[in-house]
Amino acid sequence: GAGVSQSPSNKVTEKGKDVELRCDPISGHTALYWYRQSLGQGLEFLIYFQGNSAPDKSGLPSDRFSAERTGGSVSTLTIQRTQQEDSAVYLCASSFFTGGVGNQPQHFGDGTRLSIL
Amino acid sequence: SQQGEEDPQALSIQEGENATMNCSYKTSINNLQWYRQNSGRGLVHLILIRSNEREKHSGRLRVTLDTSKKSSSLLITASRAADTASYFCATSPGGGQGAQKLVFGQGTRLTINP
Repeated sequence: GAGVSQSPSNKVTEKGKDVELRCDPISGHTALYWYRQSLGQGLEFLIYFQGNSAPDKSGLPSDRFSAERTGGSVSTLTIQRTQQEDSAVYLCASSFFTGGVGNQPQHFGDGTRLSIL
Repeated sequence: SQQGEEDPQALSIQEGENATMNCSYKTSINNLQWYRQNSGRGLVHLILIRSNEREKHSGRLRVTLDTSKKSSSLLITASRAADTASYFCATSPGGGQGAQKLVFGQGTRLTINP
């Protein structure tokens, strides 16, 4: 597709379950980002991938959160043993890479709305 | 921590009026970007202004940047109902490591009344 695709669009699960969120970036974009957005709030950075470099995981809130990016394309964000405070919209974005200076706009998917019961 | 802070948090105006939103930040930046988010959707990039630029235009949008005051403004002229959305500023902190990160503010919720 032409844009960033995220699935599922909505996920409702019970506390303690694991969830996996998927992101398909725009073809040719080597940089991929995950953000979390709580209701009515701004975006909280979670993790950043660029090519084959080690990901920047500095925004992950706990060790229950992890993410992978396979083949430099699709990424999955996994939350283990979900808690109610994990309820939020999880947004993925991709961009071209500009060699160390963040001068490229990011293109966002519509997010996954995660609700933990 | 959030670097950008938008002001006001909410703005309601009549269609046809101009809307101005402000953003302040704390540390040096490489660039500043503005994004729009319609309800239930992802963010859409509007405009990017580099730290050595003072003003930039795109259609009905005008962005200014004052690095001495660490602030930026987004002006939407001749507003339309379709401009109703939340608007976020995002800064790219200066420096090498981490310079790819964008740090988002809390957003301004803009409502255009017909």
